[in-house]
Amino acid sequence: QVQLQQSGAELVKPGSSVKISCKASGYTFTSYDMHWIKQQPGNGLEWIGWIYPGNGNTKYNQKFNGKATLTADKSSSTAYLQLSSLTSDDSAVYFCARYNNYYYVMDAWGQGASVTVSS
Amino acid sequence: DVVLTQTPSTLSATIGQSVSISCRSSQSLLDSAGNTYLYWYLQRPGQSPQLLIYLVSNLGSGVPNRFSGSGSGTDFTLKISGVEAEDLGVYYCMQATHAPWTFGGGTKLELK
Repeated sequence: QVQLQQSGAELVKPGSSVKISCKASGYTFTSYDMHWIKQQPGNGLEWIGWIYPGNGNTKYNQKFNGKATLTADKSSSTAYLQLSSLTSDDSAVYFCARYNNYYYVMDAWGQGASVTVSS
Repeated sequence: DVVLTQTPSTLSATIGQSVSISCRSSQSLLDSAGNTYLYWYLQRPGQSPQLLIYLVSNLGSGVPNRFSGSGSGTDFTLKISGVEAEDLGVYYCMQATHAPWTFGGGTKLELK
C-alpha cells in the first residue's frame, strides 16, 4: 500500500535552515507529484507547492518563494522540503502528500514533521 | 488567492444525527475544461488529513457512504448522514482549480 514516512521532529535556531524528508513506498515514486502543506499550531492548512520527481519540475505558492525549496532523490524514493532563514513563523507541522494524477486528488499523506524554531 | 469560507466553524452533534458543512468560494471553482477541483478532508486529533470527497462528489477509497458531497460554482456542501464517533475532528474543504491551492478555515465536529 502507498506509504509516506516523514522524518522526525526538529528543534532549530532562528536564521538557520532545516531539511525535512518524505520517503515514499508502495508505488512508482517518479510518476506522481509530491505536494507539501504547512499547518501552524491551532491553525488551518497552507499549500506550499509540489515537485514532480520524474523530472524535478516544481511549482510554488508565491508566498513561499525564497523560503521553501523542494527536491527529490529518485534513487531513494525520497522527497525533501528545505526551509531557509527560519523564524518563529516557520514553526509548524509540515505534511507531504502524493497527488494522484488519475483521480486529480491528494490521496495519501505523510504523518507530518514538526519544526520548532527557537533560540 | 481564492478564499474558502466554511460554516459553521464548530458543529455539535449527537451520534446518529445528520449534519452539513458549507464551503463557499470567493471565485467559481469551475475551470475552462469543465472540471471542479473541490475536495473535503477530515483531520482527526493528532493525525494527518485524510481524503473524504474529491472533485465535489466522489467518495474517496474506503470512505463510508454516509459521507456525501455536492455543489457547484462557488457553493459546496459536505453531508454526514448519521454521525458516528469516529467522525469527530476537523473538516477542511480545499480547492485546486486556482493557484495557489487553498483550504477553508475548518469546521470542528464535536459531540453534543
